[in-house]
Amino acid sequence: KAGVTQTPRYLIKTRGQQVTLSCSPISGHRSVSWYQQTPGQGLQFLFEYFSETQRNKGNFPGRFSGRQFSNSRSEMNVSTLELGDSALYLCASSPDNNYGYTFGSGTRLTVV
Amino acid sequence: DQQVKQNSPSLSVQEGRISILNCDYTNSMFDYFLWYKKYPAEGPTFLISISSIKDKNEDGRFTVFLNKSAKHLSLHIVPSQPGDSAVYFCAASSSVTGNQFYFGTGTSLTVIP
Repeated sequence: KAGVTQTPRYLIKTRGQQVTLSCSPISGHRSVSWYQQTPGQGLQFLFEYFSETQRNKGNFPGRFSGRQFSNSRSEMNVSTLELGDSALYLCASSPDNNYGYTFGSGTRLTVV
Repeated sequence: DQQVKQNSPSLSVQEGRISILNCDYTNSMFDYFLWYKKYPAEGPTFLISISSIKDKNEDGRFTVFLNKSAKHLSLHIVPSQPGDSAVYFCAASSSVTGNQFYFGTGTSLTVIP
């Protein structure tokens, strides 16, 4: 069974640009969540999508957005990038409303 | 506001001894807790979980203890092995908010051979 796939693995962007990250969940998993990991902050919840609808949202500015497609794949978009957006972005999937996630390996975003 | 806290950023333990990783939380609505293990350049891997109806859950060398009155949980690894060296995150959620987990900042465990 394939795991959670995140692309790209690494990304370098310039301040002010926008970026789109992709996440393919485990087959059959309908819930996809996104987290930002920065040193000293642990994993901060961004949002969760279930059946193409945003079900939960963390405390991030509107520059961070996401969507989920009918095949449960999800994308996350960050507009007007700031230096502080440099982080590891992790996606996790789970089946329906069951607890617990399987994480992808993440996308390392560097903003210069 | 950090609702889940891991106050020890790092821990070193001799191989074969017990590793104890601690986690505190502030939200009394949390009723499900997990521990994840993370190696560099990889995503976190699920290790063990516990729901608030239990005070202990064991899986091989790993045991999680939950003290609801103290809002404290701990992960015990016995015996510790060098391959256990990684960053360990605890996470908590509430059945009210479903699939939104609050993570601690992690504890880096080093098991010395």
